[in-house]
Amino acid sequence: EDQVTQSPEALRLQEGESSSLNCSYTVSGLRGLFWYRQDPGKGPEFLFTLYSAGEEKEKERLKATLTKKESFLHITAPKPEDSATYLCAVRNYRDDKIIFGKGTRLHILP
Amino acid sequence: DAMVIQNPRYQVTQFGKPVTLSCSQTLNHNVMYWYQQKSSQAPKLLFHYYDKDFNNEADTPDNFQSRRPNTSFCFLDIRSPGLGDAAMYLCATSRIGRLGGSWGETQYFGPGTRLLVL
Repeated sequence: EDQVTQSPEALRLQEGESSSLNCSYTVSGLRGLFWYRQDPGKGPEFLFTLYSAGEEKEKERLKATLTKKESFLHITAPKPEDSATYLCAVRNYRDDKIIFGKGTRLHILP
Repeated sequence: DAMVIQNPRYQVTQFGKPVTLSCSQTLNHNVMYWYQQKSSQAPKLLFHYYDKDFNNEADTPDNFQSRRPNTSFCFLDIRSPGLGDAAMYLCATSRIGRLGGSWGETQYFGPGTRLLVL
């Protein structure tokens, strides 16, 4: 069964303290792995799509990487406005289904 | 400019009273999705459309139906809402194409409709 597990569930960092969020997945043929940011009471905001192991993408203080089993979202020198829930999702080739992880709640302290 | 618009943003209905949520997009994307998200949980896919081809998730209750009359609009009908259907309902669109020199997929979510069932 396809599965997405995100860790940690919650993370508190000081402003400027870099860290990484993990997304581990098992899927029957990865068609794409997606990262989103979600603020309370709002819809997810698309960040990145990754397709193959070794691929990396960057946007401002965020960098996403992908291996055959997991993806990392690296946050460099975060600011309080980076506080949000970060969601990971995968799409498989078998039935094109998108499966989300439960997310990591990130809180950056000023 | 809003690209995926959901109406209403908040909907209150009574137990068993049918309700319709709407989604429109200005992106001309051919794929549209409906998700249900309960508090502190991951979004759960209910349906998706590739153009007019409808794809129903196996575990989506029969109480939930969807319509897509054209590319821009998609509706979620809840025929007899129960207390357990109270949630945020998210609409999303997807485009697969060339992005910055390589093929990729970009997804856009609407702001969601929060449904309360009394």
